[in-house]
Amino acid sequence: EAQVTQNPRYLITVTGKKLTVTCSQNMNHEYMSWYRQDPGLGLRQIYYSMNVEVTDKGDVPEGYKVSRKEKRNFPLILESPSPNQTSLYFCAPMLDSPLHFGNGTRLTVT
Amino acid sequence: GENVEQHPSTLSVQEGDSAVIKCTYSDSASNYFPWYKQELGKRPQLIIDIRSNVGEKKDQRIAVTLNKTAKHFSLHITETQPEDSAVYFCAAPEGGNEKLTFGTGTRLTIIP
Repeated sequence: EAQVTQNPRYLITVTGKKLTVTCSQNMNHEYMSWYRQDPGLGLRQIYYSMNVEVTDKGDVPEGYKVSRKEKRNFPLILESPSPNQTSLYFCAPMLDSPLHFGNGTRLTVT
Repeated sequence: GENVEQHPSTLSVQEGDSAVIKCTYSDSASNYFPWYKQELGKRPQLIIDIRSNVGEKKDQRIAVTLNKTAKHFSLHITETQPEDSAVYFCAAPEGGNEKLTFGTGTRLTIIP
């Protein structure tokens, strides 16, 4: 069964405290992407990766980093989170578009 | 880059009637147009998509139409049911399909 495992589901943190949101897929897809969802703005692409060690910026990459050391995992890293990064985050393996979104991570930065 | 506009932002429809959601895009090289449904508290799920070599695609009560000349595509839901209540998103890629731009969403409410 196709699975995208995203952790944690909920996270409350403070400004400046580094955090990582993990994303793992079992579908062997080369292309993966991270999105953030905000009211009235829809889903916006943060970063994407076309393959191992190949990553590129999406539309809203500021304040984020990603890593793609292996095909299966695509973590999202916030080195110094700020309140404007409070949002709902989704990762997704993709073909032409997201196939299966992860369950989402609701992040609150105070 | 791609610019996707989605209308309306909210839509209320009597159960049994049809609902139509429209999106326009800017990148004439875009060739794939998916639609997602997001129920409250859940992740978006792909419900239907269309490629630029066809003008219409149907799957039971849902259909998508594409007008490449005018650069717009629409989601049609017929015989609406309460479980159709959700937020719907359209999306379109930049020409190379690497960056996907989503519309801002339509909150569809089906009135029993």
